[in-house]
Amino acid sequence: DAKTTQPPSMDCAEGRAANLPCNHSTISGNEYVYWYRQIHSQGPQYIIHGLKNNETNEMASLIITEDRKSSTLILPHATLRDTAVYYCIVAGTALIFGKGTTLSVSS
Amino acid sequence: DSGVTQTPKHLITATGQRVTLRCSPRSGDLSVYWYQQSLDQGLQFLIQYYNGEERAKGNILERFSAQQFPDLHSELNLSSLELGDSALYFCASSVDPLSSGVKNEQFFGPGTRLTVL
Repeated sequence: DAKTTQPPSMDCAEGRAANLPCNHSTISGNEYVYWYRQIHSQGPQYIIHGLKNNETNEMASLIITEDRKSSTLILPHATLRDTAVYYCIVAGTALIFGKGTTLSVSS
Repeated sequence: DSGVTQTPKHLITATGQRVTLRCSPRSGDLSVYWYQQSLDQGLQFLIQYYNGEERAKGNILERFSAQQFPDLHSELNLSSLELGDSALYFCASSVDPLSSGVKNEQFFGPGTRLTVL
């Protein structure tokens, strides 16, 4: 079973920030948090990952709480092309995908 | 383009048959992973290879097998096919094997869509 909990769906207006939450209360001390997204039936695409500190790259920012029990993926200026299923994964020896959050970005 | 290639893109076959799916990882990646995505089960991890050796197993059926060759490409063999095996099969690759405490970014191929009639 997936070790994360995400809302099934979220909506976001184009140009606004999209904040996608994830709960991972059973995370172990050396497990990374990964975010992937899947657009339609394409192969999942890596977005970002982190261990303890907040991370930022050209695609997104990842905010991890101090107790590491939850995190938030931030897409700073969502576009229509960001409409996808977003997966939050706590990885040990395998990527276990849950149902993810379907993000719908509309104009 | 992730740099991971999978062939064929589409495959239609009958129940009871055997098929082979092929994956070429990104240049320099030693690890290969196979995933199955069906409508009712979501994305499921099947198996991982690292530099030719099996590294981790997920929900892979006994009718399914995989291997990674010396040139690092991998094949997933599906036999005695059933209707329920119809799914998208993804291959992913990474430089290092996925393990606790080690960061790992996997690059996914475009998938092979298998239809069993």
